[in-house]
Amino acid sequence: AQSVTQPDIHITVSEGASLELRCNYSYGATPYLFWYVQSPGQGLQLLLKYFSGDTLVQGIKGFEAEFKRSQSSFNLRKPSVHWSDAAEYFCAVGARGQAGTALIFGKGTTLSVSS
Amino acid sequence: DTAVSQTPKYLVTQMGNDKSIKCEQNLGHDTMYWYKQDSKKFLKIMFSYNNKELIINETVPNRFSPKSPDKAHLNLHINSLELGDSAVYFCASSPTERNEQYFGPGTRLTVT
Repeated sequence: AQSVTQPDIHITVSEGASLELRCNYSYGATPYLFWYVQSPGQGLQLLLKYFSGDTLVQGIKGFEAEFKRSQSSFNLRKPSVHWSDAAEYFCAVGARGQAGTALIFGKGTTLSVSS
Repeated sequence: DTAVSQTPKYLVTQMGNDKSIKCEQNLGHDTMYWYKQDSKKFLKIMFSYNNKELIINETVPNRFSPKSPDKAHLNLHINSLELGDSAVYFCASSPTERNEQYFGPGTRLTVT
């Protein structure tokens, strides 16, 4: 079955510290991979995506993610966290080249930032 | 210059009522979606349309009926609302050639 696992439900990091959010997926073939962020009371904003090519992808707000095929992982990283990064983060996978197919989301990781 | 917009943002209504949520995208995408986010923040697909044609119709009560008048709009109508329908509903859109979905701000539906 297709699924996305985000092992960490809640993470707290100090402002200025580095961050890594984990994501593992189970899928028939290499899917498209995404990270979304949801600030309190807000919609989902696309942080970054992986389709093909370089396995280290850069996104908005200083985030990056690395696709590791052998580990079926797509972990999100940021070298220095800002207080405004506190939010819910969702990893998602989607089928390649098929219009209208659903994204499968993980259950999310809540990031808290302490001063 | 909002990409995907939804109205209303908040909707409070009583059980048994009928309500609609509207979604519009100005990204020129051909494909649109409705997702439901439950109280535990889990997101699940409900429907998708490509060029006004229904593609996905997940196991959703038939009280939920999507309507796509044109490629830029996908509305969600809900009949006979129940307490369990309380959730946040997100609209999204993507280009046909690439499953890269952009989400609206969400509509928080509360059924009392």
